[in-house]
This record gives sequence, structure tokens and C-alpha cells, in this order.
Amino acid sequence: AQSVSQHNHHVILSEAASLELGCNYSYGGTVNLFWYVQYPGQHLQLLLKYFSGDPLVKGIKGFEAEFIKSKFSFNLRKPSVQWSDTAEYFCAVNYQENQGGKLIFGQGTELSVKP
Amino acid sequence: DGGITQSPKYLFRKEGQNVTLSCEQNLNHDAMYWYRQDPGQGLRLIYYSQIVNDFQKGDIAEGYSVSREKKESFPLTVTSAQKNPTAFYLCASRIRDTHYEQYFGPGTRLTVT
Repeated sequence: AQSVSQHNHHVILSEAASLELGCNYSYGGTVNLFWYVQYPGQHLQLLLKYFSGDPLVKGIKGFEAEFIKSKFSFNLRKPSVQWSDTAEYFCAVNYQENQGGKLIFGQGTELSVKP
Repeated sequence: DGGITQSPKYLFRKEGQNVTLSCEQNLNHDAMYWYRQDPGQGLRLIYYSQIVNDFQKGDIAEGYSVSREKKESFPLTVTSAQKNPTAFYLCASRIRDTHYEQYFGPGTRLTVT
């Protein structure tokens, strides 16, 4: 079955610490990969996306992610977090074999950054 | 401003009542989606529609119904048959034939007691 797994449910960091959030997906052919962020009280918004080409993709607010096809992973990274990065982060996968452009989401990781 | 609106932001209902959640978009997107968000479970797809007058069940469609009479509107009805309706509901849309990036509305938090 198609599934997406985020390993960390809640991560607590101090400002300036480095961040890496794990995301793995089950095999299912060609995929499009996304990280979304949900800041407190705000819309779910796109951080970054991977469709093809360079497996290291850069997104907004200094975030980046690396697609490792052999590991079915798409981990999110940021070298130095800020208090304003406190939010919930979701990894999502579109399996191109699926009709309708559906996204399958991971369980989410809540990030708390201490000032 | 272009975007997706969902109303109301908070909704309270008594058990046994049907309730309809509104979703409107002025992005001229073809496809629209309804998700349910529960703590620790991420987002799960309820229904989606790729064109007007057509829609498909998602992973958790039981107890829900939708309609797509207009391109810009995709209302979701939570029926009394939904066993655990209290949740945060998110609507999304995307342009067809793109790389499947979806844009999300602000959500409606439904509480059923």
C-alpha cells in the first residue's frame, strides 16, 4: 500500500540549531514530493517540491530537502532554525500512477523552537 | 486576491445532524480536494473532483458527500452516518496537468457533541 512515514512526531530545538526531519515513502514508481508547513493559525503552505532533476531542492525561508531515490527518502533540512520556524511540517507524495493528482501525507512533525 | 475560502472557521453541531462545509476558490483551478486532519494522523483524503459534475471517493469517504456543480465551489456534507466527525477539515485545489502542487484553504474546525 502507498504510504508516507515521518519519523519524528515532535522535535524541540533551540534557536540556531540545525534541523533535519525525516520522510520515507513506500515504493510506487515515479513520484512527486512535497513538504508543506502549517504555522499556528495559518494556512497549510508549500515549503518546497521535487519533480525531477537535481535531487537537492531549495525552498522558502532557507529550507532545503534531498531526494534519495535508493532510500525512498525526502528529508527536510535547515542549517539554523529560528523561533519563527515553530510549526507543523508535513511530507506529501504524489504517486504518478494514481488518478486525480492525489497527495498522500505523512503524520506530520511538530517543531518547537525555543528562543 | 486569489485564493481558497472556507467558511465558517468554527462550526458546532449536535450529533445526528448533517452539516455542510463551504469551499470556494477563485484561482480558476480545475481540481478540488477535501481532507480531514486529525492530530498525529496527518491529512487524509475524503473526496476529490477533477472537473465539474464529477467527483471520486478518497480514502475515507464513508459518512461524507460532495457536489461539484460549479468550477469554483466544492461543498462537503458531513452526514449523521460519519461516526467520528469532530475534526479539522481542509479544502485544496490545483490546476490540472501540472506537477500536482495543491493550494490549501484556511480550514474549518467542526465540533460535534
